[in-house]
Amino acid sequence: ETGVTQTPRHLVMGMTNKKSLKCEQHLGHNAMYWYKQSAKKPLELMFVYNFKEQTENNSVPSRFSPECPNSSHLFLHLHTLQPEDSALYLCASSQEATRGTEAFFGQGTRLTVV
Amino acid sequence: QQQVKQSPQSLIVQKGGISIINCAYENTAFDYFPWYQQFPGKGPALLIAIRPDVSEKKEGRFTISFNKSAKQFSLHIMDSQPGDSATYFCAASGGYSTLTFGKGTMLLVSP
Repeated sequence: ETGVTQTPRHLVMGMTNKKSLKCEQHLGHNAMYWYKQSAKKPLELMFVYNFKEQTENNSVPSRFSPECPNSSHLFLHLHTLQPEDSALYLCASSQEATRGTEAFFGQGTRLTVV
Repeated sequence: QQQVKQSPQSLIVQKGGISIINCAYENTAFDYFPWYQQFPGKGPALLIAIRPDVSEKKEGRFTISFNKSAKQFSLHIMDSQPGDSATYFCAASGGYSTLTFGKGTMLLVSP
């Protein structure tokens, strides 16, 4: 248990569905992140929130929409996804986004788009 | 542009041997260099980290060697065990740059 909880752990969705991934951290951190991990690819940073403000969006398609209502919760809203979006989606948190401190990861949501 | 280059992509080591994974970075503003370990079905977890004011850090069987002038750092796993079989990621951050990961190394320690 890292203090970062992601739900659901597994998700299968059709290309026309709308779903959301949820992340919650109990560490008192101020930065939260979404990463995408595909087979044989590095961890791809998608979004960064620092003190509830989005500070990075690494050219992520608009079918992925993040939401950070407070510093403890982070959502990733999904709609009209493509099969190539199937991957492990990891949430992480750290004390601050730009200072070199440990990032704690959740266990991830394994997403399959059919 | 990949800011952190990691090698090898995969590694097989005999039990009791030394596993060595290397990383090189480009951004001279980086000042925090962690290594993460990931088991199947789990998120990455911090293994050991170093800052550029020291050239080596050791925690148990795990050692980071850091060469600031060459902009390289490496992970050494001494007396490698089958339980060390996992994917290892180097990373770097600093200078207003968020954590940037290498591509990962799949380590298999054979019994």
